[in-house]
Amino acid sequence: ETAVFQTPNYHVTQVGNEVSFNCKQTLGHDTMYWYKQDSKKLLKIMFSYNNKQLIVNETVPRRFSPQSSDKAHLNLRIKSVEPEDSAVYLCASSWTGGAGEQYFGPGTRLTVL
Amino acid sequence: AQSVDQPDAHVTLSEGASLELRCSYSYSAAPYLFWYVQYPGQSLQFLLKYITGDTVVKGTKGFEAEFRKSNSSFNLKKSPAHWSDSAKYFCALEGTGNTGKLIFGLGTTLQVQP
Repeated sequence: ETAVFQTPNYHVTQVGNEVSFNCKQTLGHDTMYWYKQDSKKLLKIMFSYNNKQLIVNETVPRRFSPQSSDKAHLNLRIKSVEPEDSAVYLCASSWTGGAGEQYFGPGTRLTVL
Repeated sequence: AQSVDQPDAHVTLSEGASLELRCSYSYSAAPYLFWYVQYPGQSLQFLLKYITGDTVVKGTKGFEAEFRKSNSSFNLKKSPAHWSDSAKYFCALEGTGNTGKLIFGLGTTLQVQP
């Protein structure tokens, strides 16, 4: 049963455009994450938020910016996309406190032409 | 530095055989370790985790993993394997700071032949 929802499922865009991805979780978790999964399936964390506060901010280009309106929502905006941004973006959520299993959404596949 | 190594990119075995997927980690403190599975066309699903205590942990779908501090390993096991276990398996380490930040290995693609 899906409890982490992501929209859109797919997005194709041109270099230089702006895109936004949405994520919502209905599990009541207080921490949410964005991961990037590249074409080789390598998974790397980008950001995480705890109760609307940014707690993890990995070394990602400044064109990426997360946005959280409440603890159930975490969006990702990419200004001026580049070809290397083509990937699957996975949203996840968990309880704070360490060692909590993370629940992943279905992902948004971004293709930059 | 914190890192996770999954040395086997691909593992193929026959249905009914025992499977063991290898994972080693590098971390200076007591680790939190996880296994996740990604079935074709799907997102990641949690299988099991080790926090402390019993070094053999059991998870969903009949999987278990053994934590070995002596050689910094956390191998995933199941016996017997079923064709439906074919998927990509990721080992992960939770980094410092209690932030939930996961450091993933490159994954092992498991193919179980009927």
